[in-house]
Amino acid sequence: ETGVTQSPTHLIKTRGQQVTLRCSSQSGHNTVSWYQQALGQGPQFIFQYYREEENGRGNFPPRFSGLQFPNYSSELNVNALELDDSALYLCASSLMSHRDNTEAFFGQGTRLTVV
Amino acid sequence: GQQVMQIPQYQHVQEGEDFTTYCNSSTTLSNIQWYKQRPGGHPVFLIQLVKSGEVKKQKRLTFQFGEAKKNSSLHITATQTTDVGTYFCHSGGSNYKLTFGKGTLLTVNP
Repeated sequence: ETGVTQSPTHLIKTRGQQVTLRCSSQSGHNTVSWYQQALGQGPQFIFQYYREEENGRGNFPPRFSGLQFPNYSSELNVNALELDDSALYLCASSLMSHRDNTEAFFGQGTRLTVV
Repeated sequence: GQQVMQIPQYQHVQEGEDFTTYCNSSTTLSNIQWYKQRPGGHPVFLIQLVKSGEVKKQKRLTFQFGEAKKNSSLHITATQTTDVGTYFCHSGGSNYKLTFGKGTLLTVNP
């Protein structure tokens, strides 16, 4: 057990809808990163939040947005869902030290299906 | 942007054979991390390498970081069926765009 929990575990949405995924980070960690993992692929970096501010972003459109709360938990919001958004969404918790990333602990992921 | 290439994409071995996966970057990395993801599971942290030329061992696993900090390798000696999974390298470069390689899927025939 990593201490990182994600909810929900599975979700089915219709194209055009909006979705919010949640992640509670491991105690003592100040950084949350979100990844999208399509079947058979490596995780693709969406963005990272450090002390409630976005600290880096991958090649995802603005309809992917996020938040980090004072307790370092985080949300990933996706607007105007597309079929290609169907994937496993992983949240990773870590401790940012000296502006560098340490080991990340992943949650179990949320399996999103867009129909 | 930062690119991390991982080879091979797939590797099938007989139990007891050795296995190596390689990770190559187009830019110098501040550190590199290795993760293992079992089928249906989530990535699990294995190790982090920081220093140029660093070598670390965990039982049958040996991790190396190249002198130029642009490549890394994971070697498993005498594979077991419990080694099955996808092995990812993960770079935490200074631009904070955290990049996973595509991974190497290891299957082991008992």
